[in-house]
Amino acid sequence: SQTIHQWPATLVQPVGSPLSLECTVEGTSNPNLYWYRQAAGRGLQLLFYSVGIGQISSEVPQNLSASRPQDRQFILSSKKLLLSDSGFYLCAWSFTVSGHYEQYFGPGTRLTVT
Amino acid sequence: AQSVAQPEDQVNVAEGNPLTVKCTYSVSGNPYLFWYVQYPNRGLQFLLKYITGDNLVKGSYGFEAEFNKSQTSFHLKKPSALVSDSALYFCAVRDRKNTDKLIFGTGTRLQVFP
Repeated sequence: SQTIHQWPATLVQPVGSPLSLECTVEGTSNPNLYWYRQAAGRGLQLLFYSVGIGQISSEVPQNLSASRPQDRQFILSSKKLLLSDSGFYLCAWSFTVSGHYEQYFGPGTRLTVT
Repeated sequence: AQSVAQPEDQVNVAEGNPLTVKCTYSVSGNPYLFWYVQYPNRGLQFLLKYITGDNLVKGSYGFEAEFNKSQTSFHLKKPSALVSDSALYFCAVRDRKNTDKLIFGTGTRLQVFP
């Protein structure tokens, strides 16, 4: 079976500091990978997605970047955090075969920028 | 534009009563529809999906959803609510322009009272 991991679970960072959040998936090959941000416990905002190693699509211009250095690894980064970067960050994966379009989410990282 | 709408921010139900969480969609062609549940400080969990076939779809934890093409709806239902069903529920539709993506609704908070 497939498993998705995210770390850290919680993070408190000062404004202007760098950020690195990591997501890994086990038990599948060549998944689609996604980064979402959820503000105020409600709506989801798709930040980045990737259909393969080194292939990143950015949905919203912002202070963040993403990378996919390995097939099942997805990293969200920032060089200098802003207060507005606070939120709940969710990584997700999906199969790339027809008929399986649902996404499976990780446990999330709660980021507080102070 | 493609979208899903969840018209109720919150739904309150007494334990043991049937529950319905509403979702309507706006997508050209045949939609692929999904329901997710999110417990506090957790990632989203996949409940069920409609791709094709029977309009009544059964999913996890006793939930089901009915696809209604004429009303462009995909309401989530459960015959008898439990206090443990209290959570945030998201409806989603597959983006037909970019089939690697899902379009999520804004979420409905379900509160089940004992």
